[in-house]
Amino acid sequence: AQSVTQLGSHVSVSEGALVLLRCNYSSSVPPYLFWYVQYPNQGLQLLLKYTTGATLVKGINGFEAEFKKSETSFHLTKPSAHMSDAAEYFCAVSDLGGTSYGKLTFGQGTILTVHP
Amino acid sequence: IAGITQAPTSQILAAGRRMTLRCTQDMRHNAMYWYRQDLGLGLRLIHYSNTAGTTGKGEVPDGYSVSRANTDDFPLTLASAVPSQTSVYFCASSDSGGIQPQHFGDGTRLSIL
Repeated sequence: AQSVTQLGSHVSVSEGALVLLRCNYSSSVPPYLFWYVQYPNQGLQLLLKYTTGATLVKGINGFEAEFKKSETSFHLTKPSAHMSDAAEYFCAVSDLGGTSYGKLTFGQGTILTVHP
Repeated sequence: IAGITQAPTSQILAAGRRMTLRCTQDMRHNAMYWYRQDLGLGLRLIHYSNTAGTTGKGEVPDGYSVSRANTDDFPLTLASAVPSQTSVYFCASSDSGGIQPQHFGDGTRLSIL
């Protein structure tokens, strides 16, 4: 069984400050990990993904995340927040094993607020 | 523009009524999914389909049914709607099931009164 825990349902930062959104996962098989962003009244858009290989992955809009197997974490960061980053962010894990066939298990989401 | 189209965008429905949410994709993805999004719970998988002609149950399948007659369409049916099914419903698709990321529609906001 898979699970995802996002620490902090709300994160607030100042414009220009570091953004850190935390994600921990559990999976019985090597995971594929994703971060999605959701703007109001829209669907989810992919920010970045980890499959295999390099553990530091870069995504769109200046975001990146590092896969740390020993810590079962996949935290999302951005060096300098912009007002347009205000949105809800979801971490997700994909189980490629068994009968799951790539179903995503999502975390509860973290709402990012950016103050001027 | 390629992507996923969901209809309707929103609906208010009386309890006990039957409702079908439509989802069509034009990317020829083999896998499709239905999720519901509720505040504080993230997205939860209702049903999925690995390929045309096959479907499977997700985390919260009760009260919902799906069909996958062809590659492009994946309708979700509420046979007899109940207020607890008030939610925002998202359809998604992916190629190569899980290896490639899922693409999402813009959602259907459903209120059951």
